[in-house]
Parts: sequence; structure tokens; C-alpha cells
Amino acid sequence: EDQVTQSPEALRLQEGESSSLNCSYTVSGLRGLFWYRQDPGKGPEFLFTLYSAGEEKEKERLKATLTKKESFLHITAPKPEDSATYLCAVRALDSSASKIIFGSGTRLSIRP
Amino acid sequence: DGGITQSPKYLFRKEGQNVTLSCEQNLNHDAMYWYRQDPGQGLRLIYYSQIVNDFQKGDIAEGYSVSREKKESFPLTVTSAQKNPTAFYLCAAQGINQPQHFGDGTRLSIL
Repeated sequence: EDQVTQSPEALRLQEGESSSLNCSYTVSGLRGLFWYRQDPGKGPEFLFTLYSAGEEKEKERLKATLTKKESFLHITAPKPEDSATYLCAVRALDSSASKIIFGSGTRLSIRP
Repeated sequence: DGGITQSPKYLFRKEGQNVTLSCEQNLNHDAMYWYRQDPGQGLRLIYYSQIVNDFQKGDIAEGYSVSREKKESFPLTVTSAQKNPTAFYLCAAQGINQPQHFGDGTRLSIL
């Protein structure tokens, strides 16, 4: 069964303290891995799409990387405004072209 | 402004009542989706539609119904058969070979 697991569930960092969020996936074949940011009471906001192992994408203090079994969202020198829940999702080769599977997210809190 | 609009932001349902959540998009995307989000859980797919006048059940369709009469609109009805409807409901739209983009959700509670 296709599955997406995110860890840790919650992460508290001091401002400027770099760290990484993990997204492990088991799918028959990957058609795309997506990272989203979700603020409380809001819908997820798209960040990145990754398609193949070795691929990397960057945006401001965030960098997403992909291997054959997992993806990392690296956050460098975070600021309080980076506090949010970060969601990972995958689209599998054998699924409907439209269906994606979401992980349960990592709640990131950055203290000033 | 291009985007996805969900309304209302908050909704309350009485016992035995059906309620309808609105989702409108002006992105001209063919595919639209409804998800349910519960605390500490990922998004779970309720229904999706890849084209007007066609839709498919997702993983948790029981107690819900949808229609897709227009490309820009994909309303979700939470029926009285849904025994645990309290949740945050998210609508998304997707273009070809693009990621899904989301509205800002409707929070449904039981009176």
C-alpha cells in the first residue's frame, strides 16, 4: 500500500537554528513528491515539486531534496515567520493521474 | 486575482441536516478535489472530478455527495448520514502536470 510518513510530528527551534524535516514514502513508482506549507486555519500553500532522486529545489531559507525512499526539507537559519505545518505528498505511478497521498505533517515552531 | 474560493469559512450543522460547502475556482483547471483534515492527520480525499459532469469517490466518500455542473464550481454536500462531520474541509484544483492548489478551507462544526 502506498504510504507517506513524516517525522518528527513537531519540532521547536530557536531562531537561526537550522534543521531538517523528513518525509519517507513507499510507493510502487514515484510520479512526483510535493511539499506544502500550511498556516493555522488556512489551506496548504505549494512550495516544491520533486520528480527524481538527486533533485533539489530551493526557495529562500528552504531547500528540498529527494532520494529513492525519502525527501528532506532543510531549513537554514529559520525565522519566526517560518513557523507552520509542513506537509509532504506523493503521486504514485499506479494511481489515478489525479490522486496524491498526504503525510500527516510536521508542526514547526521557531522561537525568537 | 486567480485562485480558489471556499465559503463559508465557518459552518454549523444541526442533527439530521444536510449542509453544502462551496468551492469556486477561476484558474480554468479541469481537476478539482475535496479533502477532509482532522487534527494530527493528513488530508484524506473525499471526492474528485477530472472533468465537468464526472466525478469519482475518494477514500472516505460515505456520507458526502458532490456535483460538477460547471468547470469553475465543485460543491460538497455533507449529508446527515455522515456521523462525524466535524473537520476542516479543503478544496483544491489542479492543471495538467501541475501541483494541486488549495482554497482556505471551511471549518464545519456540529451544534
